[in-house]
This record gives sequence, C-alpha cells and structure tokens, in this order.
Amino acid sequence: NAGVMQNPRHLVRRRGQEARLRCSPMKGHSHVYWYRQLPEEGLKFMVYLQKENIIDESGMPKERFSAEFPKEGPSILRIQQVVRGDSAAYFCASSSGTRNTIYFGEGSWLTVV
Amino acid sequence: GESVGLHLPTLSVQEGDNSIINCAYSNSASDYFIWYKQESGKGPQFIIDIRSNMDKRQGQRVTVLLNKTVKHLSLQIAATQPGDSAVYFCAEINNNDMRFGAGTRLTVKP
Repeated sequence: NAGVMQNPRHLVRRRGQEARLRCSPMKGHSHVYWYRQLPEEGLKFMVYLQKENIIDESGMPKERFSAEFPKEGPSILRIQQVVRGDSAAYFCASSSGTRNTIYFGEGSWLTVV
Repeated sequence: GESVGLHLPTLSVQEGDNSIINCAYSNSASDYFIWYKQESGKGPQFIIDIRSNMDKRQGQRVTVLLNKTVKHLSLQIAATQPGDSAVYFCAEINNNDMRFGAGTRLTVKP
C-alpha cells in the first residue's frame, strides 16, 4: 500500500514561470491537505480539499496560488508567476475521513531562481 | 495555532534520558491530536495520536498526555536514542481542519 506520493520532489523555476506540484493520496483517501514549510519553521496550512471540492482555502494566498483535487488523478497545487519568496517545501497529506489518521508525503522542494 | 515566522525552540537531552516535548494548542473545539516527527529533508511522520475523550495514550517508548483544561499536549519519549533526533510537531484537528504547533527540535547527545 503506497503512501502519499508527491512529485516532483525537487523543482527549480525561474521567476515568472509556473510551478505545478502533484499529490497522489493514499489508496482509499479522499481528503487532501497542502502545507508549506520554510527552513527551520513550522508547517503552514494552505488548503484542504475533498474530491472535486475545496473545503478550506483560508491559508492560500489570494493571488497566483490555486489547488484542485479532481475526480480522477492527483491533487495539484499550482503557483503562477513564481517569485523568490515562493521557494519552500510543500507538503501534502491525506486521510480517509473525519478523525482518521492523516499521513504526509515526502514533500516537494521548490526553488525559484 | 500557526507558527509562521518563528524559529524552532530546541530541546537537548542525553542519550538514555527521557524527553518531554510540550505543545499548546489554540482551539478548544479540537477533538483529535497527532504528534509528528520530521527528520531533515523528509515529510512529517506519524508517531501517535489521541482523541479528546482520553487524557493519556501510550505507544512504544512514547506517551502522549492531553490536558484539555489548559489546552496542553505533551509527548514523552522514554530512553531517548540518537535516532529520535528530529523536529516534533503537534497537530490539532477540528472537523478535518488540521493545524500545527510551532514544533520543537530535539537533539540527543551521545
């Protein structure tokens, strides 16, 4: 049973380009969370999704960032027109539902040059 | 609550000693709590969880204590080993909304 799979693990983008980060939840999980982490800091909540629905996006910047979790396929975190400040580790987590254990992927490290 | 912009507090212990890592949570409605361990360059790894109808739960070498009165959570690690060196985060969950505490870096000295 594969865990939460994230790709790419490392991504380098130039300022102004787009970054797409993918997350395949664990089998049977329909709840997905995205978190952002800067070096030596904690995990900052970005968005919580269920299949085809955004449940809570209160942690997402109002511009340039979007997330989706389609009926088929992985969840995507999309960052348009990246800036240096977007450089961070982005973690995805999934669970099978309310009050069930939430498991994390190994993260995607975005570097903007 | 969120720990944006804060550097991690550090706990240093001698190998073989017991470690206690503390966490204050913010939402009195949170009813499920998880401790995660994060090693450098890796994702957070589940250690142990506890629901709000309990005040103590034990795992292998780890114990979590929950004090709802003061909204406090602690993780106790018995006979700390070098492999326990990592950053530890507590997470509070309320109706599928999961938020993290600030995190603590545990360093184990040989």
